[in-house]
Amino acid sequence: NAGVTQTPKFQVLKTGQSMTLQCAQDMNHNSMYWYRQDPGMGLRLIYYSASEGTTDKGEVPNGYNVSRLNKREFSLRLESAAPSQTSVYFCASSARANTGELFFGEGSRLTVL
Amino acid sequence: SQQGEEDPQALSIQEGENATMNCSYKTSINNLQWYRQNSGRGLVHLILIRSNEREKHSGRLRVTLDTSKKSSSLLITASRAADTASYFCATDPGNTGKLIFGQGTTLQVKP
Repeated sequence: NAGVTQTPKFQVLKTGQSMTLQCAQDMNHNSMYWYRQDPGMGLRLIYYSASEGTTDKGEVPNGYNVSRLNKREFSLRLESAAPSQTSVYFCASSARANTGELFFGEGSRLTVL
Repeated sequence: SQQGEEDPQALSIQEGENATMNCSYKTSINNLQWYRQNSGRGLVHLILIRSNEREKHSGRLRVTLDTSKKSSSLLITASRAADTASYFCATDPGNTGKLIFGQGTTLQVKP
């Protein structure tokens, strides 16, 4: 029973490089989320997708793009990585927006040198 | 800015004691959720309390909600070492589906 799967789990980038974080859920959920977690800052919402085909900005969208590829998959892309994007990234999903719990992946730890 | 703010930021207690952590928020909400995060892991949902509820229980967890004060509390009774984790409250301030988390309370339960 996989739930929410994130890849990769760890990544080291150089400033200016690009990469995509992948997220997939197998619970047939409509809503998906990308958060970043920094020490002392809690979780901050980067982007949100209420349903397939829709995306919306969260609290800290600058420097990121997302694609809701289908109902299962929601990817996060860093076009030109910066050291300030060093963080732990979490993907989450929920059956419906604002009505229930979020299910989280185990996180992707990104370091930008 | 963060919608929810937890208090205290850190809490250390002995096994068997109760742990209380508080969450304050700024705007009206439909519900408030609490999550737990073990070190190095993803968040796990604990409990959801709706705006028309004042108290809710789940096992050793008791959550209260005071919408007039825009605050919630999470009580963990008879704590265990396994309860050592960070605890976060979360709300959807604009009822947009965007769940916003507080900064969390780090709980250490000493055996």
